[in-house]
Amino acid sequence: EAGVTQFPSHSVIEKGQTVTLRCDPISGHDNLYWYRRVMGKEIKFLLHFVKESKQDESGMPNNRFLAERTGGTYSTLKVQPAELEDSGVYFCASSLSEGGSNQPQHFGDGTRLSIL
Amino acid sequence: AQSVTQLGSHVSVSEGALVLLRCNYSSSVPPYLFWYVQYPNQGLQLLLKYTSAATLVKGINGFEAEFKKSETSFHLTKPSAHMSDAAEYFCAVRKVGSNYKLTFGKGTLLTVNP
Repeated sequence: EAGVTQFPSHSVIEKGQTVTLRCDPISGHDNLYWYRRVMGKEIKFLLHFVKESKQDESGMPNNRFLAERTGGTYSTLKVQPAELEDSGVYFCASSLSEGGSNQPQHFGDGTRLSIL
Repeated sequence: AQSVTQLGSHVSVSEGALVLLRCNYSSSVPPYLFWYVQYPNQGLQLLLKYTSAATLVKGINGFEAEFKKSETSFHLTKPSAHMSDAAEYFCAVRKVGSNYKLTFGKGTLLTVNP
């Protein structure tokens, strides 16, 4: 079974540019999550999709961040325009719906985003 | 609001020694608890989870953790450290119920010395 796949693994862009991160969850996982770890800080929740609906987006930092999951399969996270403080590692995770919140979240390897 | 405290951002042990990584949570009701590990240049991998069944939970790679409600703790242990255990370890909590988001501790970097 393929795990959670994230692309790209690294991205280096200049302040003011746009970047789009992609996440492919494990096949059959309705729940998809985005998290972020800024250097030196803890991993923080950004948002949660159930299929293509946003269940919880309470962790999104501001309106420069836009997450989508059209069709309920893969998800994208766009940052526009990127600012210096957006640098960090962005993790995607997915989980099954059966069993509710008891189900573990499976994480991808992350995208390391550097804003210059 | 929930929070997680991991005591010690860096723990160093000798190969063969006991590993003890500490995690305390703050929550009005006992949550679900998880330990994840991140090896260099890899993603987070689930080590073990507590979901209100047995309080002593066994995970992969010889790790285990014990949920102690009276101490609001979920410390991770391994009797004998191996060089391959060197990684960063994260404790995380999640509310029981419909809110699925994980709240993480700051992580503990484990170094294993030969």
